[in-house]
Amino acid sequence: AQSVTQLGSHVSVSEGALVLLRCNYSSSVPPYLFWYVQYPNQGLQLLLKYTSAATLVKGINGFEAEFKKSETSFHLTKPSAHMSDAAEYFCAVSTEAAGNKLTFGGGTRVLVKP
Amino acid sequence: DSGVTQTPKHLITATGQRVTLRCSPRSGDLSVYWYQQSLDQGLQFLIQYYNGEERAKGNILERFSAQQFPDLHSELNLSSLELGDSALYFCASSATSGQYNEQFFGPGTRLTVL
Repeated sequence: AQSVTQLGSHVSVSEGALVLLRCNYSSSVPPYLFWYVQYPNQGLQLLLKYTSAATLVKGINGFEAEFKKSETSFHLTKPSAHMSDAAEYFCAVSTEAAGNKLTFGGGTRVLVKP
Repeated sequence: DSGVTQTPKHLITATGQRVTLRCSPRSGDLSVYWYQQSLDQGLQFLIQYYNGEERAKGNILERFSAQQFPDLHSELNLSSLELGDSALYFCASSATSGQYNEQFFGPGTRLTVL
């Protein structure tokens, strides 16, 4: 079975500060990992994905994530937060064994303070 | 705009009733997924269809059913509704059924059961 844990349901950062959202996964087979963002009253938008190529993955809006197999982690970072980054972020995993089904973490809501 | 459309945007109904949620995938996408987002359960995979055939099933209740039609649109039927079925229901689509394919999410249908 696959699972995802996101540490911290809420994160507050100042505009211009580093954004760090933590994601740990559990999978008995090589995983494929994703970060999605959900703005209020909208659907989910893919930020970036790891599919066993480079371990450092760059996504949209200045976000990037690093896959660390030894730590079973896929943390999301952005060097400088912008007010428009206020949203909820979801880490998700899929595996070949589970088909293309996405298993999501509980989400982290980001608040950006001016 | 992801290209995935869902109707209706909002649905308010009473316990015991039956509703149908509709999803049109992106042009050319063969695979459709349904997810439920609720405060207590988070984002959960319900069911996947690929080119008209059921491909995978998740935590979908027996009171719920889905189908994908020849024109590739999909419907999620929820019957004998309970208060706990109140949630945001997302449809997503991808080009094929393989795990490398990004899932594009629709804006969701918010279901309120009174």
